Amino acid sequence: DGGITQSPKYLFRKEGQNVTLSCEQNLNHDAMYWYRQDPGQGLRLIYYSQIVNDFQKGDIAEGYSVSREKKESFPLTVTSAQKNPTAFYLCASSISTGRRQPQHFGDGTRLSIL
Amino acid sequence: AQSVTQPDIHITVSEGASLELRCNYSYGATPYLFWYVQSPGQGLQLLLKYFSGDTLVQGIKGFEAEFKRSQSSFNLRKPSVHWSDAAEYFCAVGGTSGTYKYIFGTGTRLKVLA
Repeated sequence: DGGITQSPKYLFRKEGQNVTLSCEQNLNHDAMYWYRQDPGQGLRLIYYSQIVNDFQKGDIAEGYSVSREKKESFPLTVTSAQKNPTAFYLCASSISTGRRQPQHFGDGTRLSIL
Repeated sequence: AQSVTQPDIHITVSEGASLELRCNYSYGATPYLFWYVQSPGQGLQLLLKYFSGDTLVQGIKGFEAEFKRSQSSFNLRKPSVHWSDAAEYFCAVGGTSGTYKYIFGTGTRLKVLA
């Protein structure tokens, strides 16, 4: 079955450390997204990519970085500059970034600080 | 500015009772509207979507939603709730033409009493 795989499910970061969250999709979708979810705040967009080798900042990109070297993969790095990284991170994809395209979500990665 | 409001943070219903979750949007053009469900520790799953045409749309798991342009609402309903429906529900609107952006509500957490 096609879908989105996020790994790991749980991740712990030490102070000053960068960590990378993996997101892989086999839906043949062009567009991919990273969201951060905090209790009571809904989903906030970190980065999105419309196509391979292209990505754009979302609403809360500071302290995060991404790459899109392959269509299937869109890893997110949480850098040491992100001072409050504890959250649930969701990766999503859609056929394109058109506003009528439903987004398909992975099962998330929960990041905590040690 | 576009926005989505889910006025109820928490809702509790008894199993077998009917359910209505409210969603109000602010959007200048014809909105593309979505409802998603999120079980604890999981990603979001699309329940249904509205683009145009019939204002009553059917989704998965027995859910339906009604688009009311005059009230700027897109409320989610289910005639008889099952214990497995306990989850968080998000309303979203597709962004302005040519952009990527979904606008998510802050979610409504549903509790089902046995």
